[in-house]
Amino acid sequence: GAGVSQSPSNKVTEKGKDVELRCDPISGHTALYWYRQSLGQGLEFLIYFQGNSAPDKSGLPSDRFSAERTGGSVSTLTIQRTQQEDSAVYLCASGQGNLFGGYTFGSGTRLTVV
Amino acid sequence: KNQVEQSPQSLIILEGKNCTLQCNYTVSPFSNLRWYKQDTGRGPVSLTIMTFSENTKSNGRYTATLDADTKQSSLHITASQLSDSASYICVVRDGGATNKLIFGTGTLLAVQP
Repeated sequence: GAGVSQSPSNKVTEKGKDVELRCDPISGHTALYWYRQSLGQGLEFLIYFQGNSAPDKSGLPSDRFSAERTGGSVSTLTIQRTQQEDSAVYLCASGQGNLFGGYTFGSGTRLTVV
Repeated sequence: KNQVEQSPQSLIILEGKNCTLQCNYTVSPFSNLRWYKQDTGRGPVSLTIMTFSENTKSNGRYTATLDADTKQSSLHITASQLSDSASYICVVRDGGATNKLIFGTGTLLAVQP
């Protein structure tokens, strides 16, 4: 596609439910990042994929968070047993992963846990 | 302590005025540094990228500077417009094995008429 696509764009879920967020990166981009942005806060790194492997998952806030990437393309971020503090905008970015390559962000998924 | 720190946290200026945003980093080894603009409800968009050997780079009314010795960068906005109201985020690329992007927490700029 022309850009990074994230779905859904908005998600309202009840506390305790599981949610799955999807990121479709730009075709050919090997690097993929997940970030989240809480209201009024900066971007918080979650996890970084290079191809299908995740060399850095240090940002995942708890074991309720997991992410996978298959075929070096689509990535899903899963949050189990959602809590109200999980409410944020979840952003995905993809890039070619080379030294000077730029990164393109999706428009994000706004998650609200009620 | 965040490896990329930005100041001020927020800034309000009048339309037509200039402003300068600061970014200090401790990331080492350093690969490159980007300034992103993030409009409300949108993903960040890259404004400039600077490598170790570059001191200044311009993109229209935006001029970024980099001092790799002191690990400081600035983003200067000239003749501000209402559409410049956004968050400006400094992002440093780790030159080590992970090649990871490290984000600052951003400066929220509001341009008022």
